[in-house]
Amino acid sequence: AQSVTQLDSQVPVFEEAPVELRCNYSSSVSVYLFWYVQYPNQGLQLLLKYLSGSTLVESINGFEAEFNKSQTSFHLRKPSVHISDTAEYFCAVSEPDYGGSQGNLIFGKGTKLSVKP
Amino acid sequence: NAGVTQTPKFRVLKTGQSMTLLCAQDMNHEYMYWYRQDPGMGLRLIHYSVGEGTTAKGEVPDGYNVSRLKKQNFLLGLESAAPSQTSVYFCASSYRLRLARTGELFFGEGSRLTVL
Repeated sequence: AQSVTQLDSQVPVFEEAPVELRCNYSSSVSVYLFWYVQYPNQGLQLLLKYLSGSTLVESINGFEAEFNKSQTSFHLRKPSVHISDTAEYFCAVSEPDYGGSQGNLIFGKGTKLSVKP
Repeated sequence: NAGVTQTPKFRVLKTGQSMTLLCAQDMNHEYMYWYRQDPGMGLRLIHYSVGEGTTAKGEVPDGYNVSRLKKQNFLLGLESAAPSQTSVYFCASSYRLRLARTGELFFGEGSRLTVL
């Protein structure tokens, strides 16, 4: 069975500092990987995704994540955070739909990023 | 473009009462989902639907029922609310399951339910 582990429940950082939010997954087959962001009192929004190809994927607001198959990781990074990045971040995994089976996204428990001035 | 709309946004119930959460999407999506979000637990799938008139159980379906009578609406019902159902409920939709696994889920803003 698939699972997603987000190693840190809370990550406090100062503005303009770099940040890394860690995500590890377990799966016996190839996976698709996602990061979603949830701003306070809002629903989740897709931040970035890895489907295939380049293992480094980027979002429009400066976040990037690297798929590392050997370490089964998909860590999220940003070189310089802003106050507006304060949110909860969820890593998610799904299996490619080869056989038409009913599957869904499996979410990690989330990491709360708190950016302080 | 409203996207995914959930009603009500807040509700307080007493144990044993019943209620229905409504999810409406205006994107002509085939697939719809109900999740619950609890502190430290992430999102857990309750039920989902792959099309009008069809529903399926997710990870935590007990105590909930759903219906998808119209393509744009997905209802989540609690027949006899319990304190363990205190949570924030999120509805989501996507074009197709295949796309949902390789693409994007569109979420509503959530419904906060408290059961006393």
